[in-house]
Amino acid sequence: GIQVEQSPPDLILQEGANSTLRCNFSDSVNNLQWFHQNPWGQLINLFYIPSGTKQNGRLSATTVATERYSLLYISSSQTTDSGVYFCAVNRLSNDYKLSFGAGTTVTVRA
Amino acid sequence: DAGVIQSPRHEVTEMGQEVTLRCKPISGHDYLFWYRQTMMRGLELLIYFNNNVPIDDSGMPEDRFSAKMPNASFSTLKIQPSEPRDSAVYFCASSFRSYEAFFGQGTRLTVV
Repeated sequence: GIQVEQSPPDLILQEGANSTLRCNFSDSVNNLQWFHQNPWGQLINLFYIPSGTKQNGRLSATTVATERYSLLYISSSQTTDSGVYFCAVNRLSNDYKLSFGAGTTVTVRA
Repeated sequence: DAGVIQSPRHEVTEMGQEVTLRCKPISGHDYLFWYRQTMMRGLELLIYFNNNVPIDDSGMPEDRFSAKMPNASFSTLKIQPSEPRDSAVYFCASSFRSYEAFFGQGTRLTVV
C-alpha cells in the first residue's frame, strides 16, 4: 500500500512561534487531508488539499502532488494548537481508503 | 448535519463478552470506514463500505470481528468474543466518493 511519512515526529513550541510539518507519500494521490487530534481524542478536519495551497486563519497547507509532499504551516502558535497532526492520503486509483501517517505530536508551551 | 455519530462513547467489558459499536454516517455519503487507533499501530483501517456493500475487509484482524451496514444510515462493528488486546479507540468515518472524509468522536473500548 501507499506509504505516508510525517516529520518531525515531535515538536515543542513556545507560544507565538511558527512551525512547519511535513508529509511525504510514496504514490500519486487522489485525496490528501490534514487532521488535528485534540487532547480529547477527536479528529478535527483541517484541510482537504490534494493539490495547491489553502489557508484557514493561522493555519495554511500546501500540497505539491507532482513531488509527493504536503506541508502544514502553523503561525503564531497557541496552546490550543497542541495535539497530534495527521496527514492521510488515498491513492490515485479506485481505492478510496485513507492511509494515515504516524503523526506529529505538537506541544505548545505558554 | 450533526456529523458522524458513534455510540457508545466509552465501553468497558469483560473478556469473552460480545461488543457492538454503532455508527451513523453523514447523510448523502456513500463511503463508510471503520478505523482502530492504538499506540502501537496508530490509525489502521479495518473495513470500508461503498453503498452499504463491504469493499475491503483485509484490515479486520480476525474472525472475531465482523461489520455490517444494513442501510445507508447505520453500520455496526461487532467483536465476539472480545479480548484485552482489542482495547483501543474505534473510529467511524464517512465520505462522498473519494472526497473529504469526516470522523466520528470514536468509541473507547476497554476489555478487562
